[in-house]
Amino acid sequence: DGGITQSPKYLFRKEGQNVTLSCEQNLNHDAMYWYRQDPGQGLRLIYYSQIVNDFQKGDIAEGYSVSREKKESFPLTVTSAQKNPTAFYLCASSISGQKNTEAFFGQGTRLTVV
Amino acid sequence: AQKVTQAQTEISVVEKEDVTLDCVYETRDTTYYLFWYKQPPSGELVFLIRRNSFDEQNEISGRYSWNFQKSTSSFNFTITASQVVDSAVYFCALSDQNTDKLIFGTGTRLQVFP
Repeated sequence: DGGITQSPKYLFRKEGQNVTLSCEQNLNHDAMYWYRQDPGQGLRLIYYSQIVNDFQKGDIAEGYSVSREKKESFPLTVTSAQKNPTAFYLCASSISGQKNTEAFFGQGTRLTVV
Repeated sequence: AQKVTQAQTEISVVEKEDVTLDCVYETRDTTYYLFWYKQPPSGELVFLIRRNSFDEQNEISGRYSWNFQKSTSSFNFTITASQVVDSAVYFCALSDQNTDKLIFGTGTRLQVFP
């Protein structure tokens, strides 16, 4: 079945560690996105990529990094520089851009700092 | 600045009641898209509808209907004869035509009780 797969579903991180969240899609979509969801704040865009080997900062990129070496994959690294990383992270993809086409979302990764 | 306001944080209804979720937006773009997404307890966002700013016709899809009014900058969502399976968080979103971003509202949690 086509879709977006995020892994792991739950992730625990010690303070000072970097962790990488996986996002893979087999929908042949060009554009991919990472969002952060906090209670009462809706979704905020971290990074997005409209084509392989290119990506742009979203509204809250500080403390995060991404890569887009393959069309299917858009991993997100939460670095130790991110001061408040505990949140629910959602990956999405769309055919050519989410401003006028629907986006498809993964089931999310819940990251907790311990 | 672009903004989406979902003033209703949480709504509770009993099955078979009709319920309307409000969405008010602000934008200076003349062309834009509005979206509604549903987030069930499983976590992923599910696309419900996309509406172009030039198309003010109301839309009905089964028990779901949407009322788009540019005069009041609103894009409200009504569920008729609600069901327990409608329980979820619903997000309204506005496209940014210059940057391929979606601006999300803070969401409305709908609980439908049997």
